Amino acid sequence: GAVVSQHPSWVICKSGTSVKIECRSLDFQATTMFWYRQFPKQSLMLMATSNEGSKATYEQGVEKDKFLINHASLTLSTLTVTSAHPEDSSFYICSASGMSYEQYFGPGTRLTVT
Amino acid sequence: AQSVAQPEDQVNVAEGNPLTVKCTYSVSGNPYLFWYVQYPNRGLQFLLKYITGDNLVKGSYGFEAEFNKSQTSFHLKKPSALVSDSALYFCAVRDIGGANNLFFGTGTRLTVIP
Repeated sequence: GAVVSQHPSWVICKSGTSVKIECRSLDFQATTMFWYRQFPKQSLMLMATSNEGSKATYEQGVEKDKFLINHASLTLSTLTVTSAHPEDSSFYICSASGMSYEQYFGPGTRLTVT
Repeated sequence: AQSVAQPEDQVNVAEGNPLTVKCTYSVSGNPYLFWYVQYPNRGLQFLLKYITGDNLVKGSYGFEAEFNKSQTSFHLKKPSALVSDSALYFCAVRDIGGANNLFFGTGTRLTVIP
């Protein structure tokens, strides 16, 4: 149980375009979902926290207009990187949390902006 | 504020030898502590957690961790390392007052030498 999927696992896009990443909890209801960013050989940086049906809470320094997060249902959250630039290239990981305190992580999405 | 420190960027150990990956924490109240493992280009996999109870916590793949309140440590251990244990290990502490936010250490790369 407690499986979280991400789609796509890998995406290449051109600079200036937008990319949407999906995060799904497959076998439980995720009241809270988290989006992290990981640079090579570095730790995970929390970008934002979203509760189903509410606006996401962004961490300091994360541009909410650039990284749009939608948590429309208890099993789906999406992260849209708008007007992507090469510096947005990174590994994006989502996690989901239900009624317990545990977070279950997705497999990650590698974004490369050319 | 909660924080986690992993003082070693890299740990090398010979196959069959015991391994230790160090973690110290700082919290204002009782800590909720976690260990995760990350393989290349993958998301995080949960290994074990400490919430309350016995100081020695047993987790997945033969790993265990010892909670030491006086030393504010939560070191990850395994009696006999396998080559397949080579990966990136993250210690994390939960933000008790927030939305289940996890604060991650910088990670320790474990290499098990055949």
